[in-house]
Amino acid sequence: AQSVAQPEDQVNVAEGNPLTVKCTYSVSGNPYLFWYVQYPNRGLQFLLKYITGDNLVKGSYGFEAEFNKSQTSFHLKKPSALVSDSALYFCAVSQYSGYALNFGKGTSLLVTP
Amino acid sequence: DSGVTQTPKHLITATGQRVTLRCSPRSGDLSVYWYQQSLDQGLQFLIQYYNGEERAKGNILERFSAQQFPDLHSELNLSSLELGDSALYFCASSVDGIRDEQYFGPGTRLTVT
Repeated sequence: AQSVAQPEDQVNVAEGNPLTVKCTYSVSGNPYLFWYVQYPNRGLQFLLKYITGDNLVKGSYGFEAEFNKSQTSFHLKKPSALVSDSALYFCAVSQYSGYALNFGKGTSLLVTP
Repeated sequence: DSGVTQTPKHLITATGQRVTLRCSPRSGDLSVYWYQQSLDQGLQFLIQYYNGEERAKGNILERFSAQQFPDLHSELNLSSLELGDSALYFCASSVDGIRDEQYFGPGTRLTVT
């Protein structure tokens, strides 16, 4: 079985400060990990993914995530938050032996001016 | 704009009825995925089709069915609708399989009264 957990329902950050949105996963094999963002009344947008290779993955809009196999984590980070980053962020996991993509429950990011 | 289109945008119907949601994937994408998003269940994977064939099944009820046509568009059929089926239904597409990022449509908001 595969699952993903986002332990924080909401993260609040001041504009200009670094942000981290946490994600931990559980799979029986090697994971495929994704981050998506959802703005109000919109579909999800792909940010970045880890399939294999370098543990530090860079994605859209200045976001990056680090794959940590020992801690089974894939936290999303950005060095300097923007108000426009305020949205709902989803972590998702899959693995080769299955084809479904399991999403976390989402973390609401609020960046205040 | 992700390139994935979904119709209709909104749908209001009564309990016991049947509805069909339509999705056109991005040009060149062979995989289509269906998701249900609700406040209490979060984002749930329903089913995936690849080039006309069912590839993976998630938490899809027996009252729900889907298919992908030769032109690669997909339809999700929901029957014997219940109040609890009220949700946002997303379609997503990807080039191939689960290692590829998915591009989400704007969703169909279904309200069952």
